[in-house]
Amino acid sequence: KAGVTQTPRYLIKTRGQQVTLSCSPISGHRSVSWYQQTPGQGLQFLFEYFSETQRNKGNFPGRFSGRQFSNSRSEMNVSTLELGDSALYLCASSFRPRTSGGAGNEQFFGPGTRLTVL
Amino acid sequence: AQTVTQSQPEMSVQEAETVTLSCTYDTSENNYYLFWYKQPPSRQMILVIRQEAYKQQNATENRFSVNFQKAAKSFSLKISDSQLGDTAMYFCAFMNPTSGTYKYIFGTGTRLKVLA
Repeated sequence: KAGVTQTPRYLIKTRGQQVTLSCSPISGHRSVSWYQQTPGQGLQFLFEYFSETQRNKGNFPGRFSGRQFSNSRSEMNVSTLELGDSALYLCASSFRPRTSGGAGNEQFFGPGTRLTVL
Repeated sequence: AQTVTQSQPEMSVQEAETVTLSCTYDTSENNYYLFWYKQPPSRQMILVIRQEAYKQQNATENRFSVNFQKAAKSFSLKISDSQLGDTAMYFCAFMNPTSGTYKYIFGTGTRLKVLA
């Protein structure tokens, strides 16, 4: 079974531009979460999508947005890029079963997209 | 609010020896999950081990085992017979599925270096 894939792997943008990152989850996984990873802040939760709906949102400004498609693929968008947005953006998918317990709660991560804002 | 604390930013261990990484968390919930993830220098995050809070038995995966102390809210990872390939950043994570919230809380990570 193919793992989580993210495109592009590397991206260089300038301040003020916008960027769209893509994530394809593991087949059968319905939940996709996005994280921002920086050396100083560690892993910060951005948002989670399940069944094309945003279910959870972290403490990020409105410049960060996302969506999920019917095939569970997800995109995140950052508008009006700032230097501080330079980071590794990780996508993670999980099965997210209907019941709260049991297997399927673990997340599987993609390789990430390294975004550099100049 | 739930928090996860990893108090050891960096650790090193000699090859073939045993090392323990610490993790503490804070929550008022009773039903939750704990995970250890490994992120090697290639940056792909890999699940190492998971523990359900309702299970008293500590999880084990080959050379990796946890010491789960629910009352103390402690979840340490023990790596036995350390190998060079264990060199990585290790993250402890907490997840509470109550009310459909699948938000993961990660610690700041412990950078582990295995020395030859």
